[in-house]
Formats: sequence, structure tokens, C-alpha cells
Amino acid sequence: GAVVSQHPSRVICKSGTSVKIECRSLDFQATTMFWYRQFPKQSLMLMATSNEGSKATYEQGVEKDKFLINHASLTLSTLTVTSAHPEDSSFYICSARDRSFSTEAFFGQGTRLTVV
Amino acid sequence: GDSVTQMEGPVTLSEEAFLTINCTYTATGYPSLFWYVQYPGEGLQLLLKATKADDKGSNKGFEATYRKETTSFHLEKGSVQVSDSAVYFCALSVSGNTPLVFGKGTRLSVIA
Repeated sequence: GAVVSQHPSRVICKSGTSVKIECRSLDFQATTMFWYRQFPKQSLMLMATSNEGSKATYEQGVEKDKFLINHASLTLSTLTVTSAHPEDSSFYICSARDRSFSTEAFFGQGTRLTVV
Repeated sequence: GDSVTQMEGPVTLSEEAFLTINCTYTATGYPSLFWYVQYPGEGLQLLLKATKADDKGSNKGFEATYRKETTSFHLEKGSVQVSDSAVYFCALSVSGNTPLVFGKGTRLSVIA
């Protein structure tokens, strides 16, 4: 199957700083990527849909100025958490889909963000 | 809208026990159905899938059959191992560029 690489896997940052998370499709072109947030022992919450070369589409309740998404190429999408606060601490997961692989989605390994 | 309902956990089983995790769905059109597994601290891995009615997905001893008449995709395994301890998510997809719709996940713990 296709591989999606997410980096970093863990990051600790101070309140008020910004953190960038990268999501790369290694062996396929991902015209669409998705960013999720997962709280402890809960399901995935879709944050936004990222389309290559255009603005991301955010889900209701997700602050687009706080969670900046950039999908500059067919293999890379980034999520930047700006002015991070402790309540932003969470597990963030990216996902990508490629039409040539039918309808399944491929997931990155996730990023554990801790804001102190 | 499209939705997935799966049985609430946690589920605790002894090693070699039979596993069933129920999943039902509501969708317009003809969705593809998936089971994903998440091990602690990791992302999601595709466990198995089925793209049309009566298809059976299988992998690593797990099976699930796409039942259109009951709108179900129950996950089964005949003999679980401790290494199967994880969270299992049922999901559906209606089209290629939209996000998957997930159930809430079922945490499975297998004890020796």
C-alpha cells in the first residue's frame, strides 16, 4: 500500500510559539489530504480538507487562523498550529487519498503535540 | 448524512477467544467499507476493506462481510491474540476525494 509520512512524531513547545507538522505522500500523488485531531480515547475529529494549490476547507468550529494548512505540492501538506496553548495539546493525524488506489485512505503515523 | 455506528467498548477478551465488533452504516449511494486499526501512539492502519455488497474483506485472521440488506460490516476473528489489543475503527467512503466517515472506535484488550 501507499505510504504517508508524518513528521515530527512528537513535539513539545512553549505556549505562544508555533509548531509546524508535515505530511508527505511518499509514493503517490495526493491531490487531497485531510487533517484530524484525536483526543484521548476518542475517535478522529476532521479538522480540514487540504487541496493542492487552493485554500483548505475547514470544518465548523475549527479556527482557520490558528490552524494554518498549506498544500503546496501534490506530495506535501503542512499544518501549523499558531500561538499554541495547552488546550491545543492533542494527537494530530493526516490522511491522503489517491484515486488510483480506489477509495481507501492512507494515514500518517500521527504527531503528539504537547504545549507547556 | 452518512454515518457509522459501532459497538461501544472497551471489549476485554481472553487470548484465543472469538471476537465480534458490530458496525452498521447509513449512506447515500453505495459506499466502500473499511476497518482500520490503531495501536497505541500510532496512526491508523487499514485492516481490511470491501467495496461492494457481499464482498468479504480479510486480513491477519480478521474478516468482515459487506451486508447491504442489513447495512452492516461486522468485524470478526476466530481466535484473538494479545497483540490484537488496539482500537478498531469502522469507516465508510462514498467518493474518492471526500474524507472517510468514521465510527467512534472500539477499544479491544486481549489478556493472556
